[in-house]
Amino acid sequence: QQQVKQSPQSLIVQKGGISIINCAYENTAFDYFPWYQQFPGKGPALLIAIRPDVSEKKEGRFTISFNKSAKQFSLHIMDSQPGDSATYFCAASSTGGYQKVTFGTGTKLQVIP
Amino acid sequence: EAGVTQFPSHSVIEKGQTVTLRCDPISGHDNLYWYRRVMGKEIKFLLHFVKESKQDESGMPNNRFLAERTGGTYSTLKVQPAELEDSGVYFCASSSWTSEYEQYFGPGTRLTVT
Repeated sequence: QQQVKQSPQSLIVQKGGISIINCAYENTAFDYFPWYQQFPGKGPALLIAIRPDVSEKKEGRFTISFNKSAKQFSLHIMDSQPGDSATYFCAASSTGGYQKVTFGTGTKLQVIP
Repeated sequence: EAGVTQFPSHSVIEKGQTVTLRCDPISGHDNLYWYRRVMGKEIKFLLHFVKESKQDESGMPNNRFLAERTGGTYSTLKVQPAELEDSGVYFCASSSWTSEYEQYFGPGTRLTVT
């Protein structure tokens, strides 16, 4: 059972455009939602994270939007650059117990010049 | 500060053989996690150590997998005997008590069982 569903599987965006990746979760015990960025040959790196008490968090060109009632959250990359080309994973965890992270299936983003 | 390191980066073994993966967490990090990504699927949790104790091993697939963290420093994950379905990328991550939800991942070990 996929507890965190992520779409799209792949995404091609032109330089300067907006990249949008969507995720949905089922477990209402999740209360920490990180996004990871992974480049080829590297491990996932924490990019930005949000807790459900806020609806949006912005760090530079990266913004997480969070809809608690719909159990959905998304990553927006503004002014996408070729250097943003990577695989992005949404994830969720429950801070009340063990901190294991449940990941989405990943989105391979390609930003073309 | 050195990041999480994993050894080897790649391993190709035959079905039935034994392989041991190693993870060195960031110095001072008490929490150590193992995850696995099978091709095309999500990264899945395997287990969580707090220092040398197994806090949560609910994700371990079966008893062919044995994880240890003697002395609370580095960890090993042994697969014995390996099966074809064990192929994938094994990631290790660590976190500290001060920011325990921020997990830092290593580059992974790509395991291929033929």
